[in-house]
Amino acid sequence: AQSVAQPEDQVNVAEGNPLTVKCTYSVSGNPYLFWYVQYPNRGLQFLLKYITGDNLVKGSYGFEAEFNKSQTSFHLKKPSALVSDSALYFCAVRDHASGGSYIPTFGRGTSLIVHP
Amino acid sequence: KAGVTQTPRYLIKTRGQQVTLSCSPISGHRSVSWYQQTPGQGLQFLFEYFSETQRNKGNFPGRFSGRQFSNSRSEMNVSTLELGDSALYLCASSSGQSDTQYFGPGTRLTVL
Repeated sequence: AQSVAQPEDQVNVAEGNPLTVKCTYSVSGNPYLFWYVQYPNRGLQFLLKYITGDNLVKGSYGFEAEFNKSQTSFHLKKPSALVSDSALYFCAVRDHASGGSYIPTFGRGTSLIVHP
Repeated sequence: KAGVTQTPRYLIKTRGQQVTLSCSPISGHRSVSWYQQTPGQGLQFLFEYFSETQRNKGNFPGRFSGRQFSNSRSEMNVSTLELGDSALYLCASSSGQSDTQYFGPGTRLTVL
């Protein structure tokens, strides 16, 4: 079975400060990990993914995420937050184990609020 | 390349009616998945189609059904609508099993 947790419903950060949105996962095999962003009344936009290789993954709009296998985490980060980054962020995991589901499991989402 | 498109964007129906939502995937993508998004339950997987065959199914009642056409376009149907079916319905396409899913803008369904 695969699962993902986003422990924070909301993250508040001041513009210009670094931001972190947390994600932990559980899979039986190797994980495929994804981050998406959703703006109000819109669909989810793909930000970045980890499949294999470098633990630090760079994505769209200056976001990056660090894969940590020992802590089963995949936190989303950005060095300097913008007000326009305010949105709902979803982490998703897919188990790459043999017989694993090809359908990703999504976290419940974290609302990021960047204050001017 | 054009993104995933969904029609209509907004729908208002009454209880007991049925509704059909449409999704056109990114050109070349053969997998289409449907999700229901509500504030209380988050993003829940409905079903996935690949080459006109339902390949995966989530835990939704039989009132929720779908199909996929030979051009990969997909439709989702909900019969005998209930108030609890009010949600944002999202469609996502991918080129294969191991690829990233790309989402459409969604259809906002309101059941009165």
